[in-house]
Amino acid sequence: DAKTTQPPSMDCAEGRAANLPCNHSTISGNEYVYWYRQIHSQGPQYIIHGLKNNETNEMASLIITEDRKSSTLILPHATLRDTAVYYCIVRSPPFGNEKLTFGTGTRLTIIP
Amino acid sequence: DTEVTQTPKHLVMGMTNKKSLKCEQHMGHRAMYWYKQKAKKPPELMFVYSYEKLSINESVPSRFSPECPNSSLLNLHLHALQPEDSALYLCASSQPLDGPYTEAFFGQGTRLTVV
Repeated sequence: DAKTTQPPSMDCAEGRAANLPCNHSTISGNEYVYWYRQIHSQGPQYIIHGLKNNETNEMASLIITEDRKSSTLILPHATLRDTAVYYCIVRSPPFGNEKLTFGTGTRLTIIP
Repeated sequence: DTEVTQTPKHLVMGMTNKKSLKCEQHMGHRAMYWYKQKAKKPPELMFVYSYEKLSINESVPSRFSPECPNSSLLNLHLHALQPEDSALYLCASSQPLDGPYTEAFFGQGTRLTVV
């Protein structure tokens, strides 16, 4: 699976959009981009995933560049509960064995 | 029910003890996983079970012994651990290999301290 690069930490004001970047310049054509987050002392939580089109769900939006070498996770209206470590992961099918390889992630702190 | 339940939440054990961690899910997932997470580090995969058979062992020492007695249960048996094995142990489950993909669900973890 391709490796990812994320900034180690970011701050965002409460109520503002949090934009978390991820670089995956070696991604191959059939690899998907996944985002998970881990709130302190809890298990990781799935957020969203995508292949090449932008994706949106009730938690976040995922913007993938046209060349697929980077992506941005957007939390549209950040709350204090969004303070967590966010992991960007690249995986290739077949899925199901979920060999998620977590990178170091971005520690996002939402500031009141 | 979209929960993965892990017990106990906390465990303190001596280096000569034998203990077990338990994980349970009722989502019909046929793949289950153990991850180990040290403080301020990302989770690291230990084992993967697929249809109750061990499919991946990430070169984990034999003092960690996984068991999948049925499709809903996953155990991790611990014996003769070292203090450096102290960590958060996470269990996860996901959809079957031949089904459409859905996300992996993680439990809240067991925080293990070896003294």
